[in-house]
Amino acid sequence: KAGVTQTPRYLIKTRGQQVTLSCSPISGHRSVSWYQQTPGQGLQFLFEYFSETQRNKGNFPGRFSGRQFSNSRSEMNVSTLELGDSALYLCASSPTGTSTDTQYFGPGTRLTVL
Amino acid sequence: GQSLEQPSEVTAVEGAIVQMNCTYQTSGFYGLSWYQQHDGGAPTFLSYNALDGLEETGRFSSFLSRSDSYGYLLLQELQMKDSASYFCAVRSHNYGQNFVFGPGTRLSVLP
Repeated sequence: KAGVTQTPRYLIKTRGQQVTLSCSPISGHRSVSWYQQTPGQGLQFLFEYFSETQRNKGNFPGRFSGRQFSNSRSEMNVSTLELGDSALYLCASSPTGTSTDTQYFGPGTRLTVL
Repeated sequence: GQSLEQPSEVTAVEGAIVQMNCTYQTSGFYGLSWYQQHDGGAPTFLSYNALDGLEETGRFSSFLSRSDSYGYLLLQELQMKDSASYFCAVRSHNYGQNFVFGPGTRLSVLP
C-alpha cells in the first residue's frame, strides 16, 4: 500500500497570503488528522476529519481550516498568513481514528512565510 | 489541562540500552503511544500501551504506569540509526479526543 502523501512538499509565501495544503491518506483510511510542528511548540494537533466531518479541533485560530472529500483526501487552508505560521505541517491517517488506531504520518509540507 | 514532559536530550553509545521517560498530567486518556522521528522525516509509530505494564517489540519496549502518571521507552542494542527524536503521545478522553504529543527527546547514539 502506498503511504500518506502530502503536496506540495515545500512552499514559500508572504504575509497576508493564503495557502492550501493537500493530504492523501493510505487507501482505506477514513480518518485524517493535521498537525503543526515547530521547534518551539513541538507537534500540535490542528484538527481531525472522519467521513468528511470535522470530528475534533485543536486550539488554533479560525484562520486555520480544513475539509475532507468523499475519497478521504483532505485539504488544509491557512488564510492571512503570519510569520509565526512557518512550520512543518503534517497529516496523519488511520483506519477509523479510534483510540487504539495507529496514526501513519505523511512526509509533511514545509511552509515558510516571509 | 493536559501536558506531557520528556527530557530534551539523551546520549548513549552503540550497543547500550537507553530509557526515555514520559511523565504526564491528564485526567483521562486511552493509552500512551510512542513515535520516532528522524531529522527531516515523518513521525513513525513505535509502540502503544493501552494497559499498565510492558510491551515489547523487538529491540523496543514501552512501559506504562497510570498510577504513577509515567511511561518510558526502552531501546536495547542501540544502533547509529536510532539517533532521532522520540515522542510520547496520548489521546485524551476529555479534550475532544485530541492527540497530545510530548516535546520529544532527542537521542544521539555515539560510536
